[in-house]
Amino acid sequence: GNSVTQMEGPVTLSEEAFLTINCTYTATGYPSLFWYVQYPGEGLQLLLKATKADDKGSNKGFEATYRKETTSFHLEKGSVQVSDSAVYFCALKSSYNTDKLIFGTGTRLQVFP
Amino acid sequence: EAQVTQNPRYLITVTGKKLTVTCSQNMNHEYMSWYRQDPGLGLRQIYYSMNVEVTDKGDVPEGYKVSRKEKRNFPLILESPSPNQTSLYFCASTPSGGAYYNEQFFGPGTRLTVL
Repeated sequence: GNSVTQMEGPVTLSEEAFLTINCTYTATGYPSLFWYVQYPGEGLQLLLKATKADDKGSNKGFEATYRKETTSFHLEKGSVQVSDSAVYFCALKSSYNTDKLIFGTGTRLQVFP
Repeated sequence: EAQVTQNPRYLITVTGKKLTVTCSQNMNHEYMSWYRQDPGLGLRQIYYSMNVEVTDKGDVPEGYKVSRKEKRNFPLILESPSPNQTSLYFCASTPSGGAYYNEQFFGPGTRLTVL
């Protein structure tokens, strides 16, 4: 079945460090891929998405590229800020079951000044 | 403002006492869903609804009920809560109709503790 695997956290970084959070997926067909972010005490917000192979999603300095050959959608940011501290979820939607989101387990990011 | 609202945000209750968590969206979305979030497990879908009067089980439906009498509302009902239902619950909605790239919009969450 369809699934998403994320690296375990927490990821602890100093401000201005480079961030990578790994995400790989298993899916039939051609899924859409998403990164959602959950700030403390809040619900999930869409951070970025990509709908086909080689697409790059980007927002707020974060980027992720849909790599079909490696079934990956790693999240990157060149210089993190304290305000980026949150839990990040990778998710997919299958092209067959078009409404259901399948989530990874989430990765907590902690950024220190 | 387009949003999904949930009430209550926090609830502490006792085993067996029926409760309802409300969810409402103002975006005219067809598809609505309930998730629970537990440490190390991510978000798991409880129930979903494709439209009014159409509901179906997600991955972890045991112990929950839902109804969809109006398009905007999708309440989650725990008829006899148990401690293993202590969790953080999220309601979400999205436009339906086969657009698999559509994002889901999430409510702020309801933290439920069952003693």
